[in-house]
Formats: sequence, structure tokens, C-alpha cells
Amino acid sequence: GAGVSQSPSNKVTEKGKDVELRCDPISGHTALYWYRQSLGQGLEFLIYFQGNSAPDKSGLPSDRFSAERTGGSVSTLTIQRTQQEDSAVYLCASSNRRGQTGELFFGEGSRLTVL
Amino acid sequence: QKEVEQNSGPLSVPEGAIASLNCTYSDRGSQSFFWYRQYSGKSPELIMSIYSNGDKEDGRFTAQLNKASQYVSLLIRDSQPSDSATYLCAVNRGNQAGTALIFGKGTTLSVSS
Repeated sequence: GAGVSQSPSNKVTEKGKDVELRCDPISGHTALYWYRQSLGQGLEFLIYFQGNSAPDKSGLPSDRFSAERTGGSVSTLTIQRTQQEDSAVYLCASSNRRGQTGELFFGEGSRLTVL
Repeated sequence: QKEVEQNSGPLSVPEGAIASLNCTYSDRGSQSFFWYRQYSGKSPELIMSIYSNGDKEDGRFTAQLNKASQYVSLLIRDSQPSDSATYLCAVNRGNQAGTALIFGKGTTLSVSS
């Protein structure tokens, strides 16, 4: 597709369950970001992938959160043993500015609700 | 100290006025600065990027950067009701190219007709 694609768009889960969120970036974009946005809040940085470099995981809030990017393209964000405070919109973005922090193109987000 | 700070607002201006949005950042090594606009229920979209000290103009928008003061601003001239949104300041982390982009919490702008 032409834009960043995220799935699922909505996910309702029970506390303690694991969830996986998927991001398919724009073809050719080397940088991929995950952010979290709680209701009425700004974007909280989670993790950043740039090409073949080691990802910047400094924003992951706990060891229950992990992410991987396979083949330099699709990324999966996994949240284990979900908690109610994990409820938020998870946004993925990609960028094509090699070697520089460039314009980010965002997906529509995955809204996670933990009951 | 937060990496990127913005006044959450709301900032209310009448139609046709100038809206001034401000942002400060903590990392002196930051090189790339952006303003994004986010409408309610939508994803952020880029309005302006700025990399050098001074002003950069694009239509009704002017971004201003002062690295010595670690300050970025966005001016919106002739504000329109359609400009009502949350404006997010974003700054790259560190003094290396291609680093993570950190966002402020955003300033909500309301333009009344």
C-alpha cells in the first residue's frame, strides 16, 4: 500500500493476556518508530529501528514490551501480560531519510483496550 | 527535566489572528526539529521541519529555531478555524544523525470564527 499500515485497528483484551500489534511501513523506508498515545496525551516514544543498526529500545516502559522488525520491513510490537495502564493508541511511523531524522509518516494506529 | 516541553494550552485565538506556539528542549546536541499537527482522532502529520537557527517560512506557517536558547516556535498567521488542532513539537535525540524523534505533549489550539 501507499501508506503505513497497522493492524489490528482495534483490540480489546483481558488483563494478563498477551497482544501483538503489527506495522507494515512504507516500502523502502529504513526507519521505523513505535509510539504510544494515551487519551489526551502526547506521543510517548517506545522504540526506534534504523536499517541494520541495533534498535533504540530506551522508551519501552517495562520488560513486558518488546518489538522486532523482520527483514528490515514489517515490525511487531508485543505486550505480554497486559495491564489496564497499557490501554492506549499505539502508533507506528516510518521515515526514508537515510542518516538523518526525517519526516515521519504515521499509520492510523492500533487502539488497545485492556479490561 | 523533560526532553521536549510544551504548554498544553488550550491556546485560544480569534480567526485572522497570529497564533504563537512554543517548545523547549533539553538536549543541546539535537539537530532536527519538527512541528506536527494532530486533529482529534487522527494521526499526526508534518507541518514544518527546521534544522538551522533562524526563521523558516512556508505559507501561513513560520518556524523559528534558537539553538542557544534551546527553543523552537511555530507562528501561524491569519489563523483559521481549520487550524484548530493539537500541535506537537518533535526533536531528535542526541548529536548523531538518524536518532530517535521525541515528541512533546502538544499544545491545543482553538481558533474561533
